[in-house]
Amino acid sequence: EAQVTQNPRYLITVTGKKLTVTCSQNMNHEYMSWYRQDPGLGLRQIYYSMNVEVTDKGDVPEGYKVSRKEKRNFPLILESPSPNQTSLYFCASSLGSWYMNTEAFFGQGTRLTVV
Amino acid sequence: KQEVTQIPAALSVPEGENLVLNCSFTDSAIYNLQWFRQDPGKGLTSLLLIQSSQREQTSGRLNASLDKSSGRSTLYIAASQPGDSATYLCAVTSGSEKLVFGKGTKLTVNP
Repeated sequence: EAQVTQNPRYLITVTGKKLTVTCSQNMNHEYMSWYRQDPGLGLRQIYYSMNVEVTDKGDVPEGYKVSRKEKRNFPLILESPSPNQTSLYFCASSLGSWYMNTEAFFGQGTRLTVV
Repeated sequence: KQEVTQIPAALSVPEGENLVLNCSFTDSAIYNLQWFRQDPGKGLTSLLLIQSSQREQTSGRLNASLDKSSGRSTLYIAASQPGDSATYLCAVTSGSEKLVFGKGTKLTVNP
């Protein structure tokens, strides 16, 4: 089954404790991206990657890091989480860039709470 | 800067009704527009993708139209069912490596 898998689904952590949210896709997609969803603000892009070893900032990259060492994986790293990073996070992938008219596939989401 | 607006924010209808969800965008220079469905506690599921050169796309009871020049899209749902209850999001791609989302319309279909 074609899917994007995120782990963990739920996470409560304390301020300053480094964490990683994993994302993996089994569709051999080149393009992967991270979004956060907040009430009243909608979905905003954090980082994206157009292929292995190619990553770039989205609209709200501050406080996040990403890496793309393998095509299937695109982890999101919070080196020193803060309460304003409490949010619902989504990983997405597609065959190519969005402007190539390719369908986007989203993971189930990770609900992160930073206390 | 591209902005996407969805009206209404919430909609409640009785089962069996045909309904229309609206999406508008400020910059008509888009590559495509996608409609997504989001269920509580779940991710987004792509429903329809309309390329900028297309006027509409259909999938089952869903029909999405695109009027690029006026910056509008509609999602038509025929014969609504309780299982259609969800939040519907539209997103456009325009000149950057990201989807720009609206804030969504929360649909409730009452049995």
